[in-house]
Amino acid sequence: DTGVSQDPRHKITKRGQNVTFRCDPISEHNRLYWYRQTLGQGPEFLTYFQNEAQLEKSRLLSDRFSAERPKGSFSTLEIQRTEQGDSAMYLCASSLGDPSYGYTFGSGTRLTVV
Amino acid sequence: SQQGEEDPQALSIQEGENATMNCSYKTSINNLQWYRQNSGRGLVHLILIRSNEREKHSGRLRVTLDTSKKSSSLLITASRAADTASYFCATDPGTASKLTFGTGTRLQVTL
Repeated sequence: DTGVSQDPRHKITKRGQNVTFRCDPISEHNRLYWYRQTLGQGPEFLTYFQNEAQLEKSRLLSDRFSAERPKGSFSTLEIQRTEQGDSAMYLCASSLGDPSYGYTFGSGTRLTVV
Repeated sequence: SQQGEEDPQALSIQEGENATMNCSYKTSINNLQWYRQNSGRGLVHLILIRSNEREKHSGRLRVTLDTSKKSSSLLITASRAADTASYFCATDPGTASKLTFGTGTRLQVTL
């Protein structure tokens, strides 16, 4: 297991289309997080899962966004009816759930909405 | 929303010099973490300091934490060109539910 994997690395889509991103966490990590990062800013929290349960969602996560983690393994983040403001880097991270340890981030999916 | 600010926003130094960046935050924390991000890539965890610690070292990194001032600093000694990246502080309230990141410091190390 080489870390957190995200797919795709880049996605260009037309406004109004739906997109789905995938994240494969480190296998023994029970917590999985999604963040969004725009140019020149720090990452902003979107949502997180403990196993398959989605425990918290940011108000940034509008009704057009949905995230799932079936079976507590990989996770998907779907954006429906994309808007230009959705253009950003979407980062996934996983952790053991112990605040003593850091989080492991994937390389991210860069979304461009044209 | 961002937890706080990092200072400076950008820093340019020569190889071999030390780099210091500061982070301020707003709420109570269990720990504070520093991450590095190379351009267009994910974040790499560098070091974690707990709220009951004042200073921590890891290789060329030295982190301090002052909970009374709600601030932290990251010192990179003997910088290298490979240290060129953006550096973010992130606070953890202790539930491992989410990190809140600062705005970042862009470090440029030139030969």
